Amino acid sequence: KNEVEQSPQNLTAQEGEFITINCSYSVGISALHWLQQHPGGGIVSLFMLSSGKKKHGRLIATINIQEKHSSLHITASHPRDSAVYICAVRFFPNDYKLSFGAGTTVTVRA
Amino acid sequence: DAGVTQSPTHLIKTRGQQVTLRCSPKSGHDTVSWYQQALGQGPQFIFQYYEEEERQRGNFPDRFSGHQFPNYSSELNVNALLLGDSALYLCASSFGTGEVAKNIQYFGAGTRLSVL
Repeated sequence: KNEVEQSPQNLTAQEGEFITINCSYSVGISALHWLQQHPGGGIVSLFMLSSGKKKHGRLIATINIQEKHSSLHITASHPRDSAVYICAVRFFPNDYKLSFGAGTTVTVRA
Repeated sequence: DAGVTQSPTHLIKTRGQQVTLRCSPKSGHDTVSWYQQALGQGPQFIFQYYEEEERQRGNFPDRFSGHQFPNYSSELNVNALLLGDSALYLCASSFGTGEVAKNIQYFGAGTRLSVL
């Protein structure tokens, strides 16, 4: 069964702290996405990865294909980073759909 | 450049009724995917439309059907609504050709459906 697991489910941090969210998946993938969802529902794509590491501002995403694992890091967290972060993957060989994790609710306190 | 737009934003229906949700893809996109997101869960794939055909379908009953129009916009229809159909319905658009793995899906803000 193709599965995507995220941890932790919820995370609370103080402003300025370093945050890590983890994602693991069960079988081979062609791409992994990190998405951000704010209250109200809209989803924004943060990163798409198939290997290595990507950085955008204070966000860093890494993926280890052999271990079937990815992490999203937020450096110097800020209250505006409070949101639900979702990992989604495309499974091999050529799955058109995205399969999602349950999401991690991040709350950053000032 | 308009992104993905969905209508309506909120909807209240009663059990047994039928509902139609609408999605206009981002300009230049030709593929529309629909997802259902129950409260506190990640989105679940319903189906994807490309070239006016259903290209892939998730594990949803036949009560869930869709359509794509020549202008690439799409509708999601749900018949005989159940309480469990209450959810946020998300539409995502992308390019349908080329290397699938590299196609980024752009999401709309969703339609929140409440079934009473």
